[in-house]
Amino acid sequence: AQTVTQSQPEMSVQEAETVTLSCTYDTSENNYYLFWYKQPPSRQMILVIRQEAYKQQNATENRFSVNFQKAAKSFSLKISDSQLGDTAMYFCAFTRGGGATNKLIFGTGTLLAVQP
Amino acid sequence: GAGVSQSPRYKVAKRGQDVALRCDPISGHVSLFWYQQALGQGPEFLTYFQNEAQLDKSGLPSDRFFAERPEGSVSTLKIQRTQQEDSAVYLCASSLMGLAGSYNEQFFGPGTRLTVL
Repeated sequence: AQTVTQSQPEMSVQEAETVTLSCTYDTSENNYYLFWYKQPPSRQMILVIRQEAYKQQNATENRFSVNFQKAAKSFSLKISDSQLGDTAMYFCAFTRGGGATNKLIFGTGTLLAVQP
Repeated sequence: GAGVSQSPRYKVAKRGQDVALRCDPISGHVSLFWYQQALGQGPEFLTYFQNEAQLDKSGLPSDRFFAERPEGSVSTLKIQRTQQEDSAVYLCASSLMGLAGSYNEQFFGPGTRLTVL
């Protein structure tokens, strides 16, 4: 069975600073995808960034980037130049590839507060 | 519509009542997922539809939970004889269906917050 672990229940960062959220996962699969989702207080879950396991290059989306360490099964999210609108719950998630159901397995989340 | 919609947004039920939660996916999305998110937790998978076929219901916690998608579009999650432990936010997500081995982004609705008294 696959598991996703987020060991930081809460994080705080000053506006314009950089913050890193941690995530580890466990799987015996070789083909899978990893994600970071953002859930603002309004509850609509939004995809922030995606990483395919077969790609060695770390994914980047504007101010968001990941550090994907496949051997260590680690997948951290770096937010640069933090903005007040980044305040939200952040969930790390996993799904199997290979034409499976693609159901998402989520971690317990990290509540990020960006301070002015 | 522009995104996934869910109704009602909030539902309060007395223990033992039946409830029905509705999900309207993005038009043309073949895949539809239901997730349950307890307070302070990440969402947990309940069930998956490909068009009208329910291909995976491994996450449904008990036989009181039932989901359907009869015409391959709107889906309803029904909970019979609700219990306090059913209190949670129920999220619906939809996605396109791509080639085997590919992944299509799941787009989430705003959720239905169910409170069972």
